[in-house]
Formats: sequence, C-alpha cells, structure tokens
Amino acid sequence: QKEVEQDPGPLSVPEGAIVSLNCTYSNSAFQYFMWYRQYSRKGPELLMYTYSSGNKEDGRFTAQVDKSSKYISLFIRDSQPSDSATYLCAMSAVDSNYQLIWGAGTKLIIKP
Amino acid sequence: NAGVTQTPKFQVLKTGQSMTLQCAQDMNHEYMSWYRQDPGMGLRLIHYSVGAGITDQGEVPNGYNVSRSTTEDFPLRLLSAAPSQTSVYFCASSLRSALSYGYTFGSGTRLTVV
Repeated sequence: QKEVEQDPGPLSVPEGAIVSLNCTYSNSAFQYFMWYRQYSRKGPELLMYTYSSGNKEDGRFTAQVDKSSKYISLFIRDSQPSDSATYLCAMSAVDSNYQLIWGAGTKLIIKP
Repeated sequence: NAGVTQTPKFQVLKTGQSMTLQCAQDMNHEYMSWYRQDPGMGLRLIHYSVGAGITDQGEVPNGYNVSRSTTEDFPLRLLSAAPSQTSVYFCASSLRSALSYGYTFGSGTRLTVV
C-alpha cells in the first residue's frame, strides 16, 4: 500500500462547478501538506500548503486537512478552463529529513 | 529571474549510452533534487543535495550519479542508459527554511531510451 493515495481521474466537470480533489495517507507523522498544480509538459508549481490540521483559503482555492481521518482535500470554487491540469498532493514529516511523499496526481478537466 | 533551468528539454538515447542532464538555479537555494515522473507513479526522488559538496540517495538512485560542486548547479548523470529509464525528469530546488513545502521545479527533460 502506498503511503499517499490519490485517484488519478480524469475528473471532468463543467465550468463554474465546485471541484473537490482528495488524498488519503497512512503515516500519522505527516505534518506538512501541500497541493501542487502541474500543467501539461510543465513542472509542478506550489498551489497551497498547510501545516497540521485545519483549513486554508486563497482566492478560489481552499485546502483542508483532517488528521484524524488522514485525509486532505483541495476545493476549487467557480472552476475555470484554465484550472485544467494535474493536481498533486504531497506531504512531509518533521523527522523525515523533509523529504516529500507524493501522490500520483489527479487529472482535472474543466469543460467550457 | 530564471528560476530552475533544465537542459535539454528532450533527448533520445540508445541503450548503453551515457548522458548528463543539466540543472541550474539562480535563487541561491541550498537544497536541490532530481525526480523522475512516470504515469501512475507520481514523483520519485532519485538524488538530492543539501548544499555544495553534499549529496545523498533518494528512493530510486540506481543507474544515476550526481555531484554538486557549486550552489547553482546539480547535474544528473545516466551511466549506461536502459529502457526502464525512459521517463520525465524534473529538477527541484528549495531554501532549507522552506524544505517542508516550497519546492521550485524546472520544466523537465523528456528522456526516451530505445
């Protein structure tokens, strides 16, 4: 079993819909949780990060961490065609030499 | 600011050939790393460096060598290319203070080994 599980999709939704992307994990020592966005033929770029539990909001994006369920989510409101990309979750623990553990990525398609 | 620059963008190698993938960053980041990305596998760490003269192995180091003689450059060498090394390779860097989250990635090198 992988340490971080992420549905590869693709997830296809109409423009303007609310999108929910999720990852589950098994290591309770993870403290830092990140979402990266990767456009086709580009490198990943950091979208949001959260330390420990709780919510974090940035414009149309909200990151949510539920450590009791070992589950993290990224919500995208008012989705746009430009949000079409692969979204990767990543996590790290303080005692892991800061190495990130990555999900496989979910491909998101926003239909105009 | 150029960020993280990777060259070449595309490469085709024959089995057994060697080559070096170049990575340079201009952000004075102490930490640099190499990942490979394969469909359904996510990003897997090959080698990383926490500063000039210091390197260490990641999850999948076999068949690859690295060195870090300067803060800016972190080349990845394929010693004897194999078809299993066909992949997209990404170089990433970070400040040590942002290691837990703040990686900057290059745009990748697409390598095909035939």
